This record gives sequence, C-alpha cells and structure tokens, in this order.
Amino acid sequence: DVKVTQSSRYLVKRTGEKVFLECVQDMDHENMFWYRQDPGLGLRLIYFSYDVKMKEKGDIPEGYSVSREKKERFSLILESASTNQTSMYLCASSLAGRGTDTQYFGPGTRLTVL
Amino acid sequence: GESVGLHLPTLSVQEGDNSIINCAYSNSASDYFIWYKQESGKGPQFIIDIRSNMDKRQGQRVTVLLNKTVKHLSLQIAATQPGDSAVYFCAETYRGSTLGRLYFGRGTQLTVWP
Repeated sequence: DVKVTQSSRYLVKRTGEKVFLECVQDMDHENMFWYRQDPGLGLRLIYFSYDVKMKEKGDIPEGYSVSREKKERFSLILESASTNQTSMYLCASSLAGRGTDTQYFGPGTRLTVL
Repeated sequence: GESVGLHLPTLSVQEGDNSIINCAYSNSASDYFIWYKQESGKGPQFIIDIRSNMDKRQGQRVTVLLNKTVKHLSLQIAATQPGDSAVYFCAETYRGSTLGRLYFGRGTQLTVWP
C-alpha cells in the first residue's frame, strides 16, 4: 500500500514565524502535491512537484514556497505565517505519466496560526 | 477554468439504504474521474475511478456511473453503513491538463443514521 506521511498532525504557530511542513512518501512516486483545505472551499492546490528540484505553482502559491531535494520528500514552507494560513494542509503523491493520475493522500496537518 | 462540482452539499440516509452522490463537470475533454472518501480528521482516501471510455464501474458496494452526454458522474453506495459517513469528493483530469494534476469538487457530506 502507498503510504504518505506528514510530520505533524497538529501544529500551532505564531504570526511571523517560519513554518515547515514535511511530507514523505514511500512508493517512489514522481509527483507530489500540497493542498490546503478550508470549509466550503474544498481542496486548493498550493504547489506541486513532478521531479526532484522541480516545482510548479498551483492555484494559491502566495505566501508559500516548497522544496524537493529528495524524491520521497516534499516540504511546504510558510516564510512568515499569517492568521489567514490557518488551515488543514494535505500532501499527496502520484506516479508520473498519463493514466496514473490517482493521488494518494497523507493524514493532513492542521495548522493554527495565532 | 475547470469545473467539478456537486449537486448537493449534504446527504442523509438511513443505514441499509442505498446512497447516491452526484457530481457535474463541464469540460468535455475530461477523461479520468476519481471518487475519494474523507473521514473526519483524515486525508482523502481513494475509492474508485473510471475512465471516459467506460460508463460504469463497480467495486465492493460501490458503483460509479459516468454519463458523458450530460457530463455527470455519480457514486452509488449499496447498503450504506455508519462507517460510510464521510465527505465524498469527485476529482477529474482531462486531456491537455498538466500531467498529474487533479481538479476536485467541493465535496458532499454523507451522514448515515441508524
């Protein structure tokens, strides 16, 4: 089974702090994704990566950056956390190539910014 | 832009009844669809998928129907159980979309009562 793990289930940070959210997958997937999930807004794509050191902006990249130094690990960085970044953050991974688009999700990190 | 939506935001059913969750899409180039289940406090979990060259696909207690004429997707759950209570998302991808990217609907909350 595909396993996607996220470093924290719950996180509380203060405004202005730099925040790192880590995601690791164990199935050698090329693609990795970061979403945020807010009530009534569904899943919104922040960033994704289709290879090591490669990244693409999603729909809401502002205020975020990402890092993919190793294939299995994809980090989401909040350079200076703000209260409007309080949300559930979900990481996902998938195989590369057309026809293998199924994404497998981690359990999520619920981030609260005070 | 992409449009994957749901007709009903909430659905309540009695245990043992069948559930039908609907999803509409607007892109005629959409060619792959996935249903996800998200239980409270967890990440979305893959349920079943279907490609546009199919009309129907069955899994264990679940059936997905695809009507390309009206651009409609449905998930049918047979003999609904309390453990089926969750938010259900449809997701799609389409020819010409960024490889690996999925577009999600906003979800339907299914509640199963005894």
